Amino acid sequence: KAGVTQTPRYLIKTRGQQVTLSCSPISGHRSVSWYQQTPGQGLQFLFEYFSETQRNKGNFPGRFSGRQFSNSRSEMNVSTLELGDSALYLCASSLRLAGALSGANVLTFGAGSRLTVL
Amino acid sequence: GQNIDQPTEMTATEGAIVQINCTYQTSGFNGLFWYQQHAGEAPTFLSYNVLDGLEEKGRFSSFLSRSKGYSYLLLKELQMKDSASYLCAVRDQDTGRRALTFGSGTRLQVQP
Repeated sequence: KAGVTQTPRYLIKTRGQQVTLSCSPISGHRSVSWYQQTPGQGLQFLFEYFSETQRNKGNFPGRFSGRQFSNSRSEMNVSTLELGDSALYLCASSLRLAGALSGANVLTFGAGSRLTVL
Repeated sequence: GQNIDQPTEMTATEGAIVQINCTYQTSGFNGLFWYQQHAGEAPTFLSYNVLDGLEEKGRFSSFLSRSKGYSYLLLKELQMKDSASYLCAVRDQDTGRRALTFGSGTRLQVQP
């Protein structure tokens, strides 16, 4: 079955612009999470969506936002881009195990969208 | 909050065994994951531990001690293709049921 698909794979923007990244989860996965990966900070959690609702949010400024559609596809948006936003943005999808198994939710990552801000 | 430490880089020889350590400080521990990430590619799931002990999966094994806040990933019979970054990640009550907190990763170089 198809994996997690992210588009675009690469993009270049300038400071002050905004960007929208897209993620299509694995079929049947309804939870989508977004992570930012940089050489200095590693993988950092941005936010997580389930059933079109944001369930959890990391420590990022309000310029970072996202949404999820009824088909579980998700988008994230970064407004007023800064040089420090240059990073690999990874989307991950998972099943939503409940109760005692909730800790075992395995994230499957997409290949990422590499954003360069000039 | 969480704090996860793992070595930045390791080098090992093809055919050998290497152990990558991970220590963590967290509250409400709810599972530890290891992911492998080749340069320019997505992280891929390797293992999950929630109870103390060793989980074995072919050439890869992962160990967890919750009382010590310690885990390791053991790679046996190293192959050149094992050259990658290995990411330790913890799920706990601060990050919710699906979000993970990742360490900075250990870059493993396998030499002939």
